[in-house]
Amino acid sequence: QSALTQPASVSGSPGQSITISCTGTSNDVGNYNLVSWYQHDPGKAPKLLIYEVTKRPSGVSNRFSASKSANTASLTISGLQAEDEADYYCCSYAGGSTFVFGGGTKLTVL
Amino acid sequence: QVQLQLWGAGLLKPSETLSLTCAVYGGSLSGYYWTWIRQAPGKGLEWIGESIPTGSTNYNPSLKSRVTISEDTSKNQFSLNLTSVTAADTAVYYCARGVKRRYFNLWGRGNLVSVSS
Repeated sequence: QSALTQPASVSGSPGQSITISCTGTSNDVGNYNLVSWYQHDPGKAPKLLIYEVTKRPSGVSNRFSASKSANTASLTISGLQAEDEADYYCCSYAGGSTFVFGGGTKLTVL
Repeated sequence: QVQLQLWGAGLLKPSETLSLTCAVYGGSLSGYYWTWIRQAPGKGLEWIGESIPTGSTNYNPSLKSRVTISEDTSKNQFSLNLTSVTAADTAVYYCARGVKRRYFNLWGRGNLVSVSS
């Protein structure tokens, strides 16, 4: 059970869009529509942004969207804002009643 | 508003047992998958395991031999025990509420546990 692969860092200017990829395998991301994304400000509790690949919980801005193709899921943040600067993690159900997370991506808003 | 608050020893010696407790305030344990997740320094998140509504538990295969997760419904709490810790278990530990083994919609703030001789 290996961690999902995310870029270590991404950056963008306010107003721009960025996309964070999350690559797994046919045993996790590719096999289940159970990818979720979390925003984490260090020192705070992580926050659910996206669940079941594309769904947004109530209260999460529609600037956050996500998708999946084969073994890779993606999170897109549009209209980048300074407050979006945080760490982002993807997670997938991996079968056998287990989950696997990504290594995390640090988003810097320039 | 439901909140999770966790506590436990922050400094352990190798071979000791890590014990953390997470209290659920403003809500019930019933119906959810109560989960522990950790993040070692400079690393990503790692799913440790869960206690599920049937009363059963599931664990990360890499930790299974050392982990126990349990619920105390009378106190509205759930706990993590990790035996025989080593420096590799140094991490920030989080408790979280899982929904139908699909995602985690509520997290506690995290508790740093350091293992050092």
